[in-house]
Amino acid sequence: GDSVTQMEGPVTLSEEAFLTINCTYTATGYPSLFWYVQYPGEGLQLLLKATKADDKGSNKGFEATYRKETTSFHLEKGSVQVSDSAVYFCALREGGSEKLVFGKGTKLTVNP
Amino acid sequence: EAGVAQSPRYKIIEKRQSVAFWCNPISGHATLYWYQQILGQGPKLLIQFQNNGVVDDSQLPKDRFSAERLKGVDSTLKIQPAKLEDSAVYLCASSILAGVSEQYFGPGTRLTVT
Repeated sequence: GDSVTQMEGPVTLSEEAFLTINCTYTATGYPSLFWYVQYPGEGLQLLLKATKADDKGSNKGFEATYRKETTSFHLEKGSVQVSDSAVYFCALREGGSEKLVFGKGTKLTVNP
Repeated sequence: EAGVAQSPRYKIIEKRQSVAFWCNPISGHATLYWYQQILGQGPKLLIQFQNNGVVDDSQLPKDRFSAERLKGVDSTLKIQPAKLEDSAVYLCASSILAGVSEQYFGPGTRLTVT
């Protein structure tokens, strides 16, 4: 079945450091790909998405590019802030299905 | 615009007891989802409603879990009897339409079974 694999956390960075969180997927078709963020005590929020190969999703300084050849959707940010501390989830949705399949999540802590 | 509301936020019960969670989706959202998020894992879909009909309940443990969405608005998820492995955060989400539209998540209910 479809699955998503994220890099193991937790990840601890200093403010203004570069962030990469790796995400790879397995799917039978052509899924849409998502990054969700969960701040402490809150529900999941959609951070960005890409619906086809080579699309780049971006929001709040975060970016991810849909790479079909490597089945990847890595999350990047050039300069993280303390307020970016959260848990980040990579997810996919198969075409024709409404079900989201999530990775295990990566906890990010940014220190001042 | 009000978000997805869930209650209670926290619940502690003993195994073999029953528990119910409530979800109020965003007004006008036809599709409602219940997810189970076990500590250290990503959310897993339990059941999806379109209005008051079930679209997908393939991962719902039907021997102990049940859910309903009366009148196509609020929804209740019940566990009876609870097991230790049911300890998790139960997330409710809603979307305007199934598939292409964004899912909006509530804050979740953290269940601890002792």
